[in-house]
Amino acid sequence: AQSVTQLDSQVPVFEEAPVELRCNYSSSVSVYLFWYVQYPNQGLQLLLKYLSGSTLVKGINGFEAEFNKSQTSFHLRKPSVHISDTAEYFCAVSAFKGSQGNLIFGKGTKLSVKP
Amino acid sequence: DAGVTQSPTHLIKTRGQQVTLRCSPKSGHDTVSWYQQALGQGPQFIFQYYEEEERQRGNFPDRFSGHQFPNYSSELNVNALLLGDSALYLCASSLIAGTGEAFFGQGTRLTVV
Repeated sequence: AQSVTQLDSQVPVFEEAPVELRCNYSSSVSVYLFWYVQYPNQGLQLLLKYLSGSTLVKGINGFEAEFNKSQTSFHLRKPSVHISDTAEYFCAVSAFKGSQGNLIFGKGTKLSVKP
Repeated sequence: DAGVTQSPTHLIKTRGQQVTLRCSPKSGHDTVSWYQQALGQGPQFIFQYYEEEERQRGNFPDRFSGHQFPNYSSELNVNALLLGDSALYLCASSLIAGTGEAFFGQGTRLTVV
């Protein structure tokens, strides 16, 4: 079984400051990793994904994440945030086999960008 | 490409009633999964349909059932509604041969009173 822990439930940050949203996972099998963003009253939009290869992955809206296998982490970063980045961010994992397609989500991190 | 579409967007039901939610997957996708997102929580996997059969199921009671049609669209049915069933229900489509990457609809907000 897999589990995902998002270490911060809320992250307040000023506009143009850097931000890191932390995600740790637990799994007995290899996994794919994802970050999704959810704006108020909307569904989930895929930000980026790690499937294999380079551990640094780049996504939409200037976000990037680094896969660290030894620390079982997949932290999301952005060097300079905008007001429009205010949203809830979810880290998720999917097992290579067996539960493929079944996404396990963390509880989410609310990013609040202040002017 | 219309992406994943869900209907209705909002629904209010009375405890004990039954509800049906609908989902049309992204064009070209063959797999539909349903998630329940309670307020302040991450989405939780309910079940997944492929080739008109339930392929995987999360930890949800039998009151939750589904169906997939030959055109890949899907329905989620919930019987004997409880107040605790109030949530945002998300439909996600993907490819069975894919990597788990899923595209989500806007969701159906179900309120049970």
